[in-house]
Amino acid sequence: DAGVIQSPRHEVTEMGQEVTLRCKPISGHDYLFWYRQTMMRGLELLIYFNNNVPIDDSGMPEDRFSAKMPNASFSTLKIQPSEPRDSAVYFCASSLIGTSMDTQYFGPGTRLTVL
Amino acid sequence: AQKVTQAQTEISVVEKEDVTLDCVYETRDTTYYLFWYKQPPSGELVFLIRRNSFDEQNEISGRYSWNFQKSTSSFNFTITASQVVDSAVYFCALTRSGGSNYKLTFGKGTLLTVNP
Repeated sequence: DAGVIQSPRHEVTEMGQEVTLRCKPISGHDYLFWYRQTMMRGLELLIYFNNNVPIDDSGMPEDRFSAKMPNASFSTLKIQPSEPRDSAVYFCASSLIGTSMDTQYFGPGTRLTVL
Repeated sequence: AQKVTQAQTEISVVEKEDVTLDCVYETRDTTYYLFWYKQPPSGELVFLIRRNSFDEQNEISGRYSWNFQKSTSSFNFTITASQVVDSAVYFCALTRSGGSNYKLTFGKGTLLTVNP
């Protein structure tokens, strides 16, 4: 079975540009999570969805960040405009909550560099 | 609020040594899950184990073992006869069980280096 798929794996952009990160969760999973990893702050949750509906976006750093989940098999995290401090690795994870499988499985991450 | 503390920032051992990674957690929830994830140099996060707060039995999987003690709020991870391939950052994490908030709270991680 395919795991969580993220694209692109690496993104280099210039300050002020729009960046879109993509995620395909594991088929059948009903929760999707976006995390950011930096040296200073470690792994932090940005937002998560249940059945395509955003449940908690309190971790989204500011209005420049937005996330959508138009269907059960696709989610995007958008940064507009991007800033150098947004440079980090962004992980998407999915899980099937409420069963013995409610473990979050992570994608390979997208390494974002904003110049 | 939930908190996970991994006091060991870095550990360096020689191959075949046993090594224990410490994890101490804080939560007001009566039911919760604890996890360990491995992040090798390639960067992905690999799930290793999940433990329910009701289940204090220790678990062994090959060279890996986990010791969960609610009395001390600890969930330590031991690698027996370490190998170079075990070199990675290891994260301990905590989440509420049940309810509607499934946020994973991570520790800062422990960088384990196994030298040949």
